[in-house]
Amino acid sequence: DQQVKQNSPSLSVQEGRISILNCDYTNSMFDYFLWYKKYPAEGPTFLISISSIKDKNEDGRFTVFLNKSAKHLSLHIVPSQPGDSAVYFCAAIVSGNTPLVFGKGTRLSVIA
Amino acid sequence: DSGVTQTPKHLITATGQRVTLRCSPRSGDLSVYWYQQSLDQGLQFLIQYYNGEERAKGNILERFSAQQFPDLHSELNLSSLELGDSALYFCASSVDPTGRGYGYTFGSGTRLTVV
Repeated sequence: DQQVKQNSPSLSVQEGRISILNCDYTNSMFDYFLWYKKYPAEGPTFLISISSIKDKNEDGRFTVFLNKSAKHLSLHIVPSQPGDSAVYFCAAIVSGNTPLVFGKGTRLSVIA
Repeated sequence: DSGVTQTPKHLITATGQRVTLRCSPRSGDLSVYWYQQSLDQGLQFLIQYYNGEERAKGNILERFSAQQFPDLHSELNLSSLELGDSALYFCASSVDPTGRGYGYTFGSGTRLTVV
C-alpha cells in the first residue's frame, strides 16, 4: 500500500521553462511534507518543506503547493536549470509518529 | 559532505553470506534511520533508532537486524543474503526524532550487490 505516490517516473523540460513535479498521498494524517533531490552516487538532500497548515511555501526558484482536499502537492521550479536534473522524491510524515514515507521519485531532465 | 558517513560505499558478496553496513550520524543527531532503495522502488523505511533505543520498525526482514551504539553510530546487519537484497542502503540522521523541520540528513549510501 503506497501512501505517497509520484505517478510520473520521468519529466523532461527545456532550460528556462517551468518544471512541475506532482505527488499524491492517501494518508490524511500526514501533516508535514518534504521534497528531496538526489544526484547519482549521492544521498537525497533536503530541498523544501511545507506544513499542512499552509498551502504554499517558496524558497528562491522552488515553490511547493499543497492541496489538502485533493491530497496533492506539487513542486514548481522556475526557471529550470540544467543543474536541476536529478531525481526528486516527495516525502510525508505524521508528526511525532512515523518516519518519513517516500514516493518512488521522478527523474527530471532539464535540457539546455 | 552531508555529515552522515556510510561505509563501505560498495559491497559485493555471495548469496547466503552476512554483511554489516555502518553509519555515523551527523554530529549532534540522536536519531538514525535505515532505508532501502531497490531498483525502480522508492526509499523503503527499515528501522529507526533514537539515542540507542529502537523507536520504529518498518518492513525489515527477520534476516536483517540493526543496533545503535553508545557513540550513536549504527550498524545494519544483513544475513542469509539473497539476490533480491541487492539494493542501495541509506542511513539518515536527525536531531528531532519526529523528522520535522529539515527532515533527515542522508548519507551517500552503500550499494550492496549479491551474486
